[in-house]
Amino acid sequence: DAKTTQPPSMDCAEGRAANLPCNHSTISGNEYVYWYRQIHSQGPQYIIHGLKNNETNEMASLIITEDRKSSTLILPHATLRDTAVYYCIVRVAGGGSQGNLIFGKGTKLSVKP
Amino acid sequence: NAGVTQTPKFQVLKTGQSMTLQCAQDMNHNSMYWYRQDPGMGLRLIYYSASEGTTDKGEVPNGYNVSRLNKREFSLRLESAAPSQTSVYFCASSAQGTAPYEQYFGPGTRLTVT
Repeated sequence: DAKTTQPPSMDCAEGRAANLPCNHSTISGNEYVYWYRQIHSQGPQYIIHGLKNNETNEMASLIITEDRKSSTLILPHATLRDTAVYYCIVRVAGGGSQGNLIFGKGTKLSVKP
Repeated sequence: NAGVTQTPKFQVLKTGQSMTLQCAQDMNHNSMYWYRQDPGMGLRLIYYSASEGTTDKGEVPNGYNVSRLNKREFSLRLESAAPSQTSVYFCASSAQGTAPYEQYFGPGTRLTVT
């Protein structure tokens, strides 16, 4: 499994964009980049995923570099409710053990008023 | 849709006691998972069930057993609880196939073993 590296913590001012980096330099061609977040004491929540192209949904944008060795999750207008631990995970599509999520320690994002 | 539900929400056990954590999903998902999360750590996979009738070990299966009762329900059993099993337990489910898919998580069961 490709491993990911994330900063342990980041701060962001409320209303500003939060840019969360992730390094996955050993990613394979068939592995997707997934982002989940975990708000205190709750179960993790899926945010977004991508393979090669940049992706956007109602929650966030995902920017993947051309060589796919790193990515950035962007929360365009962070609110206090976005304070959470954000996990970057790479894995193949499909089922079986290769498709299982492997969580690291993630990035603790603190959004401040 | 309730999504993924877990019972109980909290539990305190004495060392050596047994208990079963229940999980159910109403999204018609084929795959279900059990994770544990220790303080300050990411989630670790205990067992998973790729489809009804199958179960497989994850990263940390020792001390646990699972049952995929039907497509909706996936239970986790601690036969003889130990203090090292004090943790928060999350159940999750997902669709299955060749396309990428996300996992949906339950609210968790907070277990303390004294």
